[in-house]
Amino acid sequence: ETGVTQTPRHLVMGMTNKKSLKCEQHLGHNAMYWYKQSAKKPLELMFVYSLEERVENNSVPSRFSPECPNSSHLFLHLHTLQPEDSALYLCASSKKRSRVEDTQYFGPGTRLTVL
Amino acid sequence: EDQVTQSPEALRLQEGESSSLNCSYTVSGLRGLFWYRQDPGKGPEFLFTLYSAGEEKEKERLKATLTKKESFLHITAPKPEDSATYLCAVHPNTGNQFYFGTGTSLTVIP
Repeated sequence: ETGVTQTPRHLVMGMTNKKSLKCEQHLGHNAMYWYKQSAKKPLELMFVYSLEERVENNSVPSRFSPECPNSSHLFLHLHTLQPEDSALYLCASSKKRSRVEDTQYFGPGTRLTVL
Repeated sequence: EDQVTQSPEALRLQEGESSSLNCSYTVSGLRGLFWYRQDPGKGPEFLFTLYSAGEEKEKERLKATLTKKESFLHITAPKPEDSATYLCAVHPNTGNQFYFGTGTSLTVIP
């Protein structure tokens, strides 16, 4: 596997279900991100992990719970979601350096539908 | 307030008809500006990173330029396979935020 991978690619869940999204990066990066992409809206940054420590949480509802067990893996745990949470969830990674290089590389996304 | 505006929202070009996409940004201090290409149902694919005004980068038919207030993505003699949504993002000097525009949907007609 190369680059950033995400599983599953598609997920349909009911409002009472609990599910998890998985992201894995094979780029040797040390920062990982979760984004939400809805139609006609800009990508919304949800969470940022740098060196496995959460450094950003953009007022995301508690029904989304991230986990970063190591620098290569990132999870997004989902529970009691709402239909408006249906979207494409994207994972990205970057190599944070002392100066400026923060280019993010994205995975293919998980298309989530909440019924 | 930091923000990114892309224009036009949609663009239709004949094959071979060159044009430019615009990304205007307002940020307290710019660490980097990024261009991505996104095909339907897929994640954004990295194209360019620009760091300072006056900088230019090229890749095949694409050329990205940067000023203190905006960036342009120039497409020379586009082909149908260049059809995609092009996203612009900025990373301010401080913090961990990345701000994305809503993208320009490009369609190149054979």
